[in-house]
Amino acid sequence: KQEVTQIPAALSVPEGENLVLNCSFTDSAIYNLQWFRQDPGKGLTSLLLIQSSQREQTSGRLNASLDKSSGRSTLYIAASQPGDSATYLCAVRPIQGAQKLVFGQGTRLTINP
Amino acid sequence: DTGVSQDPRHKITKRGQNVTFRCDPISEHNRLYWYRQTLGQGPEFLTYFQNEAQLEKSRLLSDRFSAERPKGSFSTLEIQRTEQGDSAMYLCASSALQGSTEAFFGQGTRLTVV
Repeated sequence: KQEVTQIPAALSVPEGENLVLNCSFTDSAIYNLQWFRQDPGKGLTSLLLIQSSQREQTSGRLNASLDKSSGRSTLYIAASQPGDSATYLCAVRPIQGAQKLVFGQGTRLTINP
Repeated sequence: DTGVSQDPRHKITKRGQNVTFRCDPISEHNRLYWYRQTLGQGPEFLTYFQNEAQLEKSRLLSDRFSAERPKGSFSTLEIQRTEQGDSAMYLCASSALQGSTEAFFGQGTRLTVV
Protein backbone atom coordinates (compact mmCIF):
# COMPACT_ATOMS: atom_id res chain seq x y z
CA LYS A 1 0.00 0.00 0.00
CA GLN A 2 1.41 3.37 -1.03
CA GLU A 3 2.07 5.77 1.83
CA VAL A 4 3.16 9.39 1.54
CA THR A 5 4.90 11.29 4.32
CA GLN A 6 5.67 14.97 4.54
CA ILE A 7 8.21 16.37 6.94
CA PRO A 8 8.10 18.73 8.72
CA ALA A 9 4.43 19.04 9.61
CA ALA A 10 4.91 22.77 10.19
CA LEU A 11 7.59 25.28 9.28
CA SER A 12 8.00 28.95 10.13
CA VAL A 13 10.66 31.09 8.45
CA PRO A 14 11.38 34.80 7.99
CA GLU A 15 10.47 36.48 4.73
CA GLY A 16 13.09 36.28 2.00
CA GLU A 17 14.51 32.90 2.93
CA ASN A 18 14.80 30.03 0.51
CA LEU A 19 13.24 26.85 1.83
CA VAL A 20 12.71 23.19 1.02
CA LEU A 21 9.69 21.03 1.75
CA ASN A 22 10.10 17.27 1.73
CA CYS A 23 7.87 14.45 0.54
CA SER A 24 8.62 10.74 0.64
CA PHE A 25 6.65 7.79 -0.68
CA THR A 26 7.00 4.07 -0.05
CA ASP A 27 6.39 2.59 -3.52
CA SER A 28 8.37 3.90 -6.48
CA ALA A 29 5.84 2.55 -8.99
CA ILE A 30 4.15 5.87 -9.73
CA TYR A 31 2.85 7.65 -12.83
CA ASN A 32 3.48 11.11 -11.48
CA LEU A 33 3.71 13.32 -8.41
CA GLN A 34 1.83 16.54 -7.89
CA TRP A 35 2.39 19.41 -5.44
CA PHE A 36 -0.58 21.43 -4.24
CA ARG A 37 -1.15 24.52 -2.15
CA GLN A 38 -4.12 24.82 0.21
CA ASP A 39 -5.19 28.02 1.95
CA PRO A 40 -7.26 27.67 5.15
CA GLY A 41 -10.80 26.52 4.42
CA LYS A 42 -10.17 26.40 0.69
CA GLY A 43 -9.67 23.79 -1.98
CA LEU A 44 -6.37 22.66 -3.50
CA THR A 45 -4.44 24.64 -6.08
CA SER A 46 -2.12 22.64 -8.32
CA LEU A 47 1.42 23.98 -8.29
CA LEU A 48 3.54 21.49 -10.20
CA LEU A 49 3.15 18.08 -11.80
CA ILE A 50 6.20 15.87 -12.35
CA GLN A 51 5.86 12.82 -14.57
CA SER A 52 7.71 9.68 -13.46
CA SER A 53 10.22 10.10 -16.29
CA GLN A 54 11.10 13.65 -15.25
CA ARG A 55 13.58 14.84 -12.63
CA GLU A 56 12.23 18.31 -11.96
CA GLN A 57 9.72 20.99 -12.87
CA THR A 58 9.89 24.73 -12.36
CA SER A 59 7.27 27.44 -12.13
CA GLY A 60 8.35 30.91 -11.14
CA ARG A 61 9.94 30.76 -7.68
CA LEU A 62 8.99 27.12 -7.26
CA ASN A 63 11.08 24.12 -8.23
CA ALA A 64 10.05 20.54 -7.58
CA SER A 65 12.38 17.58 -7.93
CA LEU A 66 11.65 13.87 -8.10
CA ASP A 67 13.93 10.97 -7.25
CA LYS A 68 11.65 8.03 -7.94
CA SER A 69 14.17 5.33 -7.03
CA SER A 70 14.62 6.69 -3.52
CA GLY A 71 10.97 7.66 -3.14
CA ARG A 72 11.59 11.33 -2.54
CA SER A 73 10.45 14.69 -3.84
CA THR A 74 11.31 18.19 -2.72
CA LEU A 75 9.59 21.50 -3.29
CA TYR A 76 12.01 24.43 -3.28
CA ILE A 77 10.60 27.91 -2.72
CA ALA A 78 12.95 30.79 -3.47
CA ALA A 79 12.80 34.21 -1.83
CA SER A 80 9.77 33.36 0.30
CA GLN A 81 6.99 35.94 0.78
CA PRO A 82 4.20 36.21 3.37
CA GLY A 83 1.74 35.33 0.60
CA ASP A 84 3.40 31.91 0.37
CA SER A 85 1.95 31.04 3.78
CA ALA A 86 -0.32 28.01 3.27
CA THR A 87 -0.36 24.24 3.62
CA TYR A 88 1.59 22.42 0.93
CA LEU A 89 0.52 18.91 -0.01
CA CYS A 90 2.23 16.36 -2.19
CA ALA A 91 0.39 13.50 -3.82
CA VAL A 92 1.44 10.53 -5.94
CA ARG A 93 -0.55 8.69 -8.57
CA PRO A 94 0.37 5.01 -8.15
CA ILE A 95 0.63 2.74 -11.17
CA GLN A 96 -1.56 0.23 -9.34
CA GLY A 97 -4.88 1.84 -8.57
CA ALA A 98 -3.79 4.65 -10.85
CA GLN A 99 -7.07 6.46 -10.75
CA LYS A 100 -6.56 8.04 -7.38
CA LEU A 101 -4.02 10.32 -5.78
CA VAL A 102 -2.45 9.34 -2.48
CA PHE A 103 -1.72 12.39 -0.34
CA GLY A 104 0.67 13.24 2.42
CA GLN A 105 -0.58 15.10 5.47
CA GLY A 106 0.91 18.37 4.32
CA THR A 107 3.40 20.92 5.61
CA ARG A 108 1.90 24.06 7.12
CA LEU A 109 4.20 26.91 6.08
CA THR A 110 4.26 30.33 7.74
CA ILE A 111 6.37 33.15 6.31
CA ASN A 112 6.95 35.90 8.86
CA PRO A 113 7.24 39.49 7.58
CA ASP B 1 -13.70 27.78 -18.31
CA THR B 2 -13.79 28.63 -14.63
CA GLY B 3 -12.34 25.40 -13.32
CA VAL B 4 -13.97 22.86 -11.03
CA SER B 5 -17.05 24.21 -9.27
CA GLN B 6 -18.65 22.81 -6.12
CA ASP B 7 -21.94 23.68 -4.49
CA PRO B 8 -22.71 24.46 -1.75
CA ARG B 9 -19.51 25.79 -0.20
CA HIS B 10 -20.78 25.20 3.32
CA LYS B 11 -23.49 22.95 4.71
CA ILE B 12 -24.65 22.59 8.30
CA THR B 13 -27.05 19.76 8.94
CA LYS B 14 -28.55 17.92 11.86
CA ARG B 15 -27.52 14.37 12.56
CA GLY B 16 -29.73 11.93 10.69
CA GLN B 17 -30.55 14.27 7.80
CA ASN B 18 -29.60 13.59 4.19
CA VAL B 19 -27.33 15.97 2.27
CA THR B 20 -26.35 16.22 -1.38
CA PHE B 21 -23.37 18.00 -2.88
CA ARG B 22 -22.79 18.91 -6.51
CA CYS B 23 -19.57 19.08 -8.55
CA ASP B 24 -19.15 20.55 -12.02
CA PRO B 25 -15.80 19.48 -13.47
CA ILE B 26 -13.74 21.21 -16.13
CA SER B 27 -15.83 20.70 -19.23
CA GLU B 28 -13.44 18.62 -21.32
CA HIS B 29 -12.35 16.36 -18.43
CA ASN B 30 -13.58 12.77 -18.56
CA ARG B 31 -12.32 11.80 -15.09
CA LEU B 32 -13.99 12.98 -11.90
CA TYR B 33 -12.97 12.19 -8.33
CA TRP B 34 -14.37 12.76 -4.86
CA TYR B 35 -12.10 13.07 -1.82
CA ARG B 36 -12.74 13.74 1.85
CA GLN B 37 -10.45 15.80 4.03
CA THR B 38 -10.57 16.12 7.82
CA LEU B 39 -8.75 18.80 9.79
CA GLY B 40 -5.00 18.50 9.64
CA GLN B 41 -5.03 15.56 7.25
CA GLY B 42 -4.45 15.15 3.56
CA PRO B 43 -7.43 14.33 1.32
CA GLU B 44 -8.55 10.69 1.16
CA PHE B 45 -9.95 9.14 -1.98
CA LEU B 46 -13.66 8.28 -1.98
CA THR B 47 -14.67 7.44 -5.55
CA TYR B 48 -13.79 7.86 -9.23
CA PHE B 49 -15.82 8.26 -12.43
CA GLN B 50 -14.69 7.92 -16.00
CA ASN B 51 -17.42 9.62 -17.99
CA GLU B 52 -20.66 8.31 -16.43
CA ALA B 53 -19.19 5.04 -15.15
CA GLN B 54 -18.23 4.77 -11.48
CA LEU B 55 -15.10 2.66 -11.73
CA GLU B 56 -13.70 2.68 -8.22
CA LYS B 57 -14.98 3.17 -4.69
CA SER B 58 -12.99 3.38 -1.49
CA ARG B 59 -13.85 1.31 1.54
CA LEU B 60 -14.36 4.70 3.19
CA LEU B 61 -17.53 5.01 1.14
CA SER B 62 -20.06 3.29 3.39
CA ASP B 63 -23.56 2.26 2.33
CA ARG B 64 -24.81 5.69 3.42
CA PHE B 65 -22.79 7.36 0.67
CA SER B 66 -23.76 7.34 -2.98
CA ALA B 67 -22.33 9.19 -5.94
CA GLU B 68 -23.63 9.64 -9.45
CA ARG B 69 -22.52 11.21 -12.69
CA PRO B 70 -25.59 10.59 -14.84
CA LYS B 71 -24.54 12.20 -18.12
CA GLY B 72 -20.81 12.19 -17.69
CA SER B 73 -20.81 15.87 -16.83
CA PHE B 74 -21.65 17.04 -13.29
CA SER B 75 -21.62 14.68 -10.32
CA THR B 76 -23.52 14.48 -7.06
CA LEU B 77 -22.46 12.98 -3.74
CA GLU B 78 -25.25 12.10 -1.33
CA ILE B 79 -24.84 11.19 2.32
CA GLN B 80 -27.84 9.60 3.98
CA ARG B 81 -28.53 9.61 7.72
CA THR B 82 -25.56 11.86 8.43
CA GLU B 83 -23.40 11.23 11.49
CA GLN B 84 -21.08 13.60 13.33
CA GLY B 85 -18.14 11.67 11.96
CA ASP B 86 -19.15 12.74 8.45
CA SER B 87 -18.11 16.32 9.26
CA ALA B 88 -15.30 17.10 6.84
CA MET B 89 -14.38 18.97 3.68
CA TYR B 90 -15.60 17.14 0.57
CA LEU B 91 -13.42 17.87 -2.43
CA CYS B 92 -14.09 17.19 -6.08
CA ALA B 93 -11.37 16.98 -8.72
CA SER B 94 -11.24 16.36 -12.44
CA SER B 95 -8.59 15.44 -14.97
CA ALA B 96 -8.28 14.59 -18.63
CA LEU B 97 -8.35 11.00 -19.83
CA GLN B 98 -5.53 11.48 -22.32
CA GLY B 99 -2.34 13.49 -22.14
CA SER B 100 -1.65 15.31 -18.89
CA THR B 101 -3.42 13.69 -15.97
CA GLU B 102 -2.94 16.74 -13.79
CA ALA B 103 -5.77 16.88 -11.28
CA PHE B 104 -7.63 20.14 -10.68
CA PHE B 105 -9.65 20.58 -7.52
CA GLY B 106 -12.70 22.61 -6.62
CA GLN B 107 -13.05 24.81 -3.56
CA GLY B 108 -14.73 22.02 -1.62
CA THR B 109 -17.91 21.70 0.41
CA ARG B 110 -17.45 22.04 4.16
CA LEU B 111 -19.97 19.78 5.93
CA THR B 112 -20.74 20.22 9.62
CA VAL B 113 -23.07 17.70 11.26
CA VAL B 114 -24.51 18.91 14.56
